[in-house]
Amino acid sequence: QKEVEQNSGPLSVPEGAIASLNCTYSDRGSQSFFWYRQYSGKSPELIMSIYSNGDKEDGRFTAQLNKASQYVSLLIRDSQPSDSATYLCAVSQGTYKYIFGTGTRLKVLA
Amino acid sequence: DTAVSQTPKYLVTQMGNDKSIKCEQNLGHDTMYWYKQDSKKFLKIMFSYNNKELIINETVPNRFSPKSPDKAHLNLHINSLELGDSAVYFCASSQRGQGGYGYTFGSGTRLTVV
Repeated sequence: QKEVEQNSGPLSVPEGAIASLNCTYSDRGSQSFFWYRQYSGKSPELIMSIYSNGDKEDGRFTAQLNKASQYVSLLIRDSQPSDSATYLCAVSQGTYKYIFGTGTRLKVLA
Repeated sequence: DTAVSQTPKYLVTQMGNDKSIKCEQNLGHDTMYWYKQDSKKFLKIMFSYNNKELIINETVPNRFSPKSPDKAHLNLHINSLELGDSAVYFCASSQRGQGGYGYTFGSGTRLTVV
């Protein structure tokens, strides 16, 4: 079993729709969870962090965490073509290490 | 005023050569990392340094040798390069090495071994 799993996609959504990206993880001891956005040929950019169960909203982005189900998700409201990128889920493992998923490629269709 | 800067951005070299990648951060973070991203976009940790001390060495071949002269710099030297070393190498930094802080990544070094 992979430590952090994401559907590779591509996930295609029309402009203005809600994009829902999911991630599951295997380490029950993980405490911190992150979503990164990576445009093609660029470095990953941190867009959301979440540490406790529930929802956390920041602009058009909402991160959701359910530690009992070992599940973290990212919702992007009012999706724009500029949101088209690969979204990487990262989960802490101990103090000095994050494990990344393989990413979900999102395509927002104009 | 780049926060995490890596050089070079591109590196093309022949098998068997030795090469180095440099990384510097001006964020005042005390933990730095090297990650390798393969062709399938999977980011895998290689090394983690906290205040110049090696914290994580993730079963990387000993051809790879990181060096941290101070907490703002983390360099990566690779000996006897192999075709399988071709990838994008990212340097990153975080504050205090705590799980609660996200990384800031450098722009990456695309290494191609021919």
